[in-house]
Amino acid sequence: DAGITQSPRHKVTETGTPVTLRCHQTENHRYMYWYRQDPGHGLRLIHYSYGVKDTDKGEVSDGYSVSRSKTEDFLLTLESATSSQTSVYFCAISEPPERAFFGQGTRLTVV
Amino acid sequence: QKEVEQDPGPLSVPEGAIVSLNCTYSNSAFQYFMWYRQYSRKGPELLMYTYSSGNKEDGRFTAQVDKSSKYISLFIRDSQPSDSATYLCAMDPTGANNLFFGTGTRLTVIP
Repeated sequence: DAGITQSPRHKVTETGTPVTLRCHQTENHRYMYWYRQDPGHGLRLIHYSYGVKDTDKGEVSDGYSVSRSKTEDFLLTLESATSSQTSVYFCAISEPPERAFFGQGTRLTVV
Repeated sequence: QKEVEQDPGPLSVPEGAIVSLNCTYSNSAFQYFMWYRQYSRKGPELLMYTYSSGNKEDGRFTAQVDKSSKYISLFIRDSQPSDSATYLCAMDPTGANNLFFGTGTRLTVIP
């Protein structure tokens, strides 16, 4: 999996609670991404980072925040989880011009 | 209208058949075109990558890009049961891996 570890792999949480997902890489790649995958929508970019403390929004960033204090870690936070954020979340890494490699995913259920 | 359209299938073929998978897109800024394969409950893995128009072959797989028609294809020759997966097309306007995905086509190859 190109040295990408996502944690947790599965999580069930209640509406309104904060949730943080972690992506850890051992490849020293500059770029890291968070995508969500939903039926009928495919994968959509939430946020990405192009270096430590350098982040930007993707297509579906509302309700999410990210932080990157170290090259190897990229955190995705749902400030107040909603049922519409039930999804499978994938982290990806890349060192352009190389293509992105994806982690195994985190299955999040908001009840 | 989605920027990337992909027939979700499902597609079922006998072992040894030639498989054709396709995507269309609307954004003429897309320059990088990828096919990812995703097995059930796994992360997407990069299968083929093409820059701009043209063909690329890798073993049993051939990727074609026709930018004038905004149409990309993936051909699988001599399909195997191990090819059974969901195939995702993805496109990138800048090379920074901020990807736009199709919804995926689920393929089953019957022994």
